Amino acid sequence: GAVVSQHPSWVICKSGTSVKIECRSLDFQATTMFWYRQFPKQSLMLMATSNEGSKATYEQGVEKDKFLINHASLTLSTLTVTSAHPEDSSFYICSASFSAGELFFGEGSRLTVL
Amino acid sequence: GDSVTQMEGPVTLSEEAFLTINCTYTATGYPSLFWYVQYPGEGLQLLLKATKADDKGSNKGFEATYRKETTSFHLEKGSVQVSDSAVYFCALRGFGNEKLTFGTGTRLTIIP
Repeated sequence: GAVVSQHPSWVICKSGTSVKIECRSLDFQATTMFWYRQFPKQSLMLMATSNEGSKATYEQGVEKDKFLINHASLTLSTLTVTSAHPEDSSFYICSASFSAGELFFGEGSRLTVL
Repeated sequence: GDSVTQMEGPVTLSEEAFLTINCTYTATGYPSLFWYVQYPGEGLQLLLKATKADDKGSNKGFEATYRKETTSFHLEKGSVQVSDSAVYFCALRGFGNEKLTFGTGTRLTIIP
């Protein structure tokens, strides 16, 4: 099946710094990418939907200035957590689809903010 | 809004036991229903899906039937293996909508 890759898989940063997570579709063009956040023992919470070349659509309650999403090409979307704080520590997962077809998920990126 | 309620885990079974993981949903219209599996250290993978009432999705010995009357999509397998140990997520996708709504996930551990 199609492959979606995230990088880094694990990142530790100091409070106040910014962290960028990449999501790449390796063998197909992803017209739409989704970013999820997963808390321990909880479901995946959709943060935002991004379409290539346009601004991301954020879910209610998600701070767009805090979580910057860029979908500059059909194979790459990035999530930047700006001025990270310990409460931003979480597991971030991206998924990608082509033309409203099947969704493919990345392996996830674990962020720990000290 | 749409929601998915999934059996809480963790679930621990012996090899060759029968597995059921319950999933019920709330949605308007006619959603598509999915089971995803997440093996340790990997991303979510689609396990099976059903797009309309009474459809049965099946894959790798797992089955789930879309029951509109009970708004359920329970996952079953007749004889589990150690390699089935993973986290299983029930999810729905509203008609004409790309977004997935997930349940909380159920961690399954199979003991030899």
